[in-house]
Amino acid sequence: ETGVTQTPRHLVMGMTNKKSLKCEQHLGHNAMYWYKQSAKKPLELMFVYNFKEQTENNSVPSRFSPECPNSSHLFLHLHTLQPEDSALYLCASSQAAGATDTQYFGPGTRLTVL
Amino acid sequence: AQSVTQPDIHITVSEGASLELRCNYSYGATPYLFWYVQSPGQGLQLLLKYFSGDTLVQGIKGFEAEFKRSQSSFNLRKPSVHWSDAAEYFCAVGRGGGSQGNLIFGKGTKLSVKP
Repeated sequence: ETGVTQTPRHLVMGMTNKKSLKCEQHLGHNAMYWYKQSAKKPLELMFVYNFKEQTENNSVPSRFSPECPNSSHLFLHLHTLQPEDSALYLCASSQAAGATDTQYFGPGTRLTVL
Repeated sequence: AQSVTQPDIHITVSEGASLELRCNYSYGATPYLFWYVQSPGQGLQLLLKYFSGDTLVQGIKGFEAEFKRSQSSFNLRKPSVHWSDAAEYFCAVGRGGGSQGNLIFGKGTKLSVKP
């Protein structure tokens, strides 16, 4: 499925840097998600946006700041990250944010924090 | 609280052999169940899903899964594995209702295929 794109695909940053991850969906969906995928841990939901409104913040540290300017775009702004934040960050979208709505995933951004 | 358990971290099968990946869930009501696959360097792709009705669900790439309420299981099967099936497989349960649902994932099972 190529309907969800993420940029950059790889990112290396220092702990004092500020960077942003971008996600775009071309599927006409109304809900978008950020997930964190770390080694040896289940996929962790971070944020959910439904019709541009944040409906879930899963106890994510404030050094991660999401932004959803419209239903097609989702950003994750990063600042003063820690090495343990190194992970694959996946974006997904679905028609709505219900439990039966199939989520379509992007390829992810591989983040390394030095 | 809902949870998903995939007991096998890593499975190796020979090409052409049959495959069964296990998934157990914990959920009070009728669950919404999904299987996703993740190839190296890729995002997750939906293989199949179960909401209600026939407990044997057919998916893409020749996969099927069977919902067994009595065992709280939703195991994924394929009769003959191809080398291209080597990937990581995730079982998930849909949580909640209305406009606030989302997915709870298992830790995944990595599948290796021997020639």
